[in-house]
Amino acid sequence: KAGVTQTPRYLIKTRGQQVTLSCSPISGHRSVSWYQQTPGQGLQFLFEYFSETQRNKGNFPGRFSGRQFSNSRSEMNVSTLELGDSALYLCASSTNTGLNGEQFFGPGTRLTVL
Amino acid sequence: GDSVTQMEGPVTLSEEAFLTINCTYTATGYPSLFWYVQYPGEGLQLLLKATKADDKGSNKGFEATYRKETTSFHLEKGSVQVSDSAVYFCALSDRNGNQFYFGTGTSLTVIP
Repeated sequence: KAGVTQTPRYLIKTRGQQVTLSCSPISGHRSVSWYQQTPGQGLQFLFEYFSETQRNKGNFPGRFSGRQFSNSRSEMNVSTLELGDSALYLCASSTNTGLNGEQFFGPGTRLTVL
Repeated sequence: GDSVTQMEGPVTLSEEAFLTINCTYTATGYPSLFWYVQYPGEGLQLLLKATKADDKGSNKGFEATYRKETTSFHLEKGSVQVSDSAVYFCALSDRNGNQFYFGTGTSLTVIP
């Protein structure tokens, strides 16, 4: 079974732009979660989607948004990019909603904001 | 709010040494507790988990016991190998499974 895939793997943007990241979960997994990893703040939970609905949300500003499609693929959008948004963005999938089960992580998208 | 505090690294051990990585948590009720590992060049993967007090998670020779009385979930292995070199993250999901928190990660290097 193929693992979680994320595209693109690397991205360079400038301040003020917006960016969209994509995540394809493991086949059969209906929950997709997003995380931000930075040297200063570590790994932080952004949000979780299940059956095209946002089920849970971390403590991030409204510039960070996401959506999920009927095939469980998910996109994450960051608008009005700031330098501090430079990070590795990880996507994880799991079979059921809720964050207390095993999550399978993708390789991440490395976003650099200049 | 809920949080996880993890032993600072990096940790360097000789092969066959005993490993302990400390992890304590703050949470309301009974969270689920996890250890995730990131091997060099690979993505995060679940190492073990425990969902209720006194549960012991185990995998690949690693163990951790959910201690409610000390709010701890320390990771242990009796004899580490070079292949165990990785970054280890302690994590918890809150009692409702609505939020997820990672510790800061502990880098382990095992030398032959």
